[in-house]
Formats: sequence, structure tokens, C-alpha cells
Amino acid sequence: RKEVEQDPGPFNVPEGATVAFNCTYSNSASQSFFWYRQDCRKEPKLLMSVYSSGNEDGRFTAQLNRASQYISLLIRDSKLSDSATYLCVVNPYNFNKFYFGSGTKLNVKP
Amino acid sequence: GAGVSQSPRYKVAKRGQDVALRCDPISGHVSLFWYQQALGQGPEFLTYFQNEAQLDKSGLPSDRFFAERPEGSVSTLKIQRTQQEDSAVYLCASSLNRGVGNEQFFGPGTRLTVL
Repeated sequence: RKEVEQDPGPFNVPEGATVAFNCTYSNSASQSFFWYRQDCRKEPKLLMSVYSSGNEDGRFTAQLNRASQYISLLIRDSKLSDSATYLCVVNPYNFNKFYFGSGTKLNVKP
Repeated sequence: GAGVSQSPRYKVAKRGQDVALRCDPISGHVSLFWYQQALGQGPEFLTYFQNEAQLDKSGLPSDRFFAERPEGSVSTLKIQRTQQEDSAVYLCASSLNRGVGNEQFFGPGTRLTVL
């Protein structure tokens, strides 16, 4: 079983839509969680960290559910520029190793 | 400011050749990671350095893969006797400190194609 699993998509949504992705992780001892964004043929870039109490950054909201071992990312009022692959990242039990999901592809269409 | 740089950006190797991939992390960053990203997949952890010490190399797929960071800054990932399955993008990332929650900054990657 993979450490981190994501729905690969693609999610095709119109501009202005709200879209949500989930990501599940297998290690209950996981300590830290992130969402990274990766544009086609580019390097991943940090979108946001995910905190236990949930956190929001503008149109983006991240949630953590430790009991069910998943994290979510909600994007409101989607923009064309949000089109990318969103990678879920989990740091299981030490800071040395980070596990990436395979990514969820989002296409925002006019 | 200067980010993480990697060279070469593209490398084509014949099967059996040795290759060396270079990573220049952000100046002062203690932690350095190497990842392998196959097409359509997320990055897979290869190895981790804290300064010059290689603290975790559990992700290296075989003994043909070797990484070093002798002075705690620039790092080199070497792949000996390349195979077709080694074809991937190799990403380097650095972070300022050790510790949970530190943001990793990625370089643009080296796209390796083994013929």
C-alpha cells in the first residue's frame, strides 16, 4: 500500500467553481502535512502547510482529519491560473523523509 | 534571490554510461533532499543530507546510485551503469533547517533519458 494516495483526476471545472481534493495517508504517526503545486514540466512549489485545526490562505482551505487519516484542499472561486497538479505531502515520523502522492490534476476552463 | 539550481537540465545517456547530476542549494540551507520523479507520478524520496552528513539513503533504488555533499553545500547524485528504468526527472530540494514543517525549495530538475 502506498504511503500517500490521491485521486489523479483530472478535475475539469469552470472558472469560479469550488473544487475539493482529498488525500489519504497510511501512517497514523505522521507529523506534518503539506500541499504542493506543480505546473507542467516545472518543479513543485509549496502551496500551504496543513495544520491540525485547519487553515485558510485566501481562496485555499486545508483540513486535516487524523481519525480518518486524510487531508483535504478546497479551492474557491477557481481561476484559470489554478490549473496545475496538486501534490499531497506527508512527513511520517521523522523530518528526514517526505512522501508525495502522485498528484491530482486540475483543469480550470473559461 | 538565487534559488536552487541544478545542472545539467537535460541529459541523454546511453545504457551503461555513468552520469553525474549537480545540485546547488540555497546558500545556508542545512537540509538537502534528492527525489526521482517518473512521468505522471509524484516525487519519490531518494536521499537526505544534513550539512555534509548523509542521514538517510533508504530511497536509493540500487547500489548504482550514489550521492555526496562533501562540504555541506553542493551535492552530486551519481548513477553508474545507467539503465532505461533510470529515465526520470531528478529533483533536488533544500530547506533552511532540520525539523518538521520546514518548507522545501525545489530546483528545476534534471531530466535524464537513458537510451
